[in-house]
Amino acid sequence: DAGVIQSPRHEVTEMGQEVTLRCKPISGHNSLFWYRQTMMRGLELLIYFNNNVPIDDSGMPEDRFSAKMPNASFSTLKIQPSEPRDSAVYFCASSLSGTVDIQYFGAGTRLSVL
Amino acid sequence: TQLLEQSPQFLSIQEGENLTVYCNSSSVFSSLQWYRQEPGEGPVLLVTVVTGGEVKKLKRLTFQFGDARKDSSLHITAAQPGDTGLYLCADGSGTYKYIFGTGTRLKVLA
Repeated sequence: DAGVIQSPRHEVTEMGQEVTLRCKPISGHNSLFWYRQTMMRGLELLIYFNNNVPIDDSGMPEDRFSAKMPNASFSTLKIQPSEPRDSAVYFCASSLSGTVDIQYFGAGTRLSVL
Repeated sequence: TQLLEQSPQFLSIQEGENLTVYCNSSSVFSSLQWYRQEPGEGPVLLVTVVTGGEVKKLKRLTFQFGDARKDSSLHITAAQPGDTGLYLCADGSGTYKYIFGTGTRLKVLA
């Protein structure tokens, strides 16, 4: 299995632009997570999907952030408009069941907003 | 809100040395996981501990869960450059919502 695949690996954009991050979870996994990692705040859960349905988006920082999972093999995290404080590494992870289970992380997308 | 503090924050050692890193929680862990994150990659699960006092070994890594289930340690024997990375502890609390610690950034010099 190829694991969780994220694209792009690096994204540099200017403030105010729209940014879309993509994730392909491991086939057969029914839970998908988006995390953000910064030096100051560590690894934070942004949103959790189960069977393609958003279950908990309480970690999404603002209305500028949105996430979708149109099918079991694809998810997007969109930031519109982007701001310099959104600069971070964004990880997608998937697991079989979501509860006390092994989460498999992608390699992340390093986002820089200038 | 549960807080997980890890110490030390940074550690730089020579190859062959032993080290211990710690994870302390403001409340009782439901289950505790240790992850290693290599530069440019996502975290990878090393071990899950559930029972107070539990000790697990993974080659040169020894994980210990405190009796009161509020703290844990990770001991590495004869560290190697391949052990370099960010070590994270996390509490699943029986749900999907994992809380991650602040991390210990380890560098092992050849």
